[in-house]
Amino acid sequence: ETGVTQTPRHLVMGMTNKKSLKCEQHLGHNAMYWYKQSAKKPLELMFVYNFKEQTENNSVPSRFSPECPNSSHLFLHLHTLQPEDSALYLCASSQDDSGGSYEQYFGPGTRLTVT
Amino acid sequence: GQNIDQPTEMTATEGAIVQINCTYQTSGFNGLFWYQQHAGEAPTFLSYNVLDGLEEKGRFSSFLSRSKGYSYLLLKELQMKDSASYLCAVRDSNYQLIWGAGTKLIIKP
Repeated sequence: ETGVTQTPRHLVMGMTNKKSLKCEQHLGHNAMYWYKQSAKKPLELMFVYNFKEQTENNSVPSRFSPECPNSSHLFLHLHTLQPEDSALYLCASSQDDSGGSYEQYFGPGTRLTVT
Repeated sequence: GQNIDQPTEMTATEGAIVQINCTYQTSGFNGLFWYQQHAGEAPTFLSYNVLDGLEEKGRFSSFLSRSKGYSYLLLKELQMKDSASYLCAVRDSNYQLIWGAGTKLIIKP
């Protein structure tokens, strides 16, 4: 248990569906992240929020839409996804994103399958 | 471009020592992290290096040479539970983490 929870753990959706992934951290951190993890590939950073403000958007397609209502919660809204979007989506948090030795704490991930 | 290289897979014997290497080419350097990820689980933090040298934490040690763009993770007295993927990540000049693809470590009895 890392203090970061994600729901759902598994999700199967069609290309025309709309769904949302939820992440919650109980660590009092100020930065939250969404990553995509595909088999045998490096973690891909998607979005970064620091003090509820989006500070990074790594050229992610608009079919992925993040939302950060407060420092403890992060959502990833999904719509009209493609089969190649099937992957493990990891949420992480850290004290902030300004550097130092602050490590990131990861949630268990949502295994997404797009059919 | 930015690049992190680590071996895809390694095999070692229980009780032995294994060294997992990581080389990097990034735009700037603000620290290097090692994470452990068991299959189906979240990555968990192992170590952080920002200055050259060796950092030791129990059975695990991590080494950094900034001039060579090189790090390694050393695991001693291997246990079956050490079977996992080990991820190397470098924080670049924008303070973003650049990740390697991970090294899958298989421990045999």
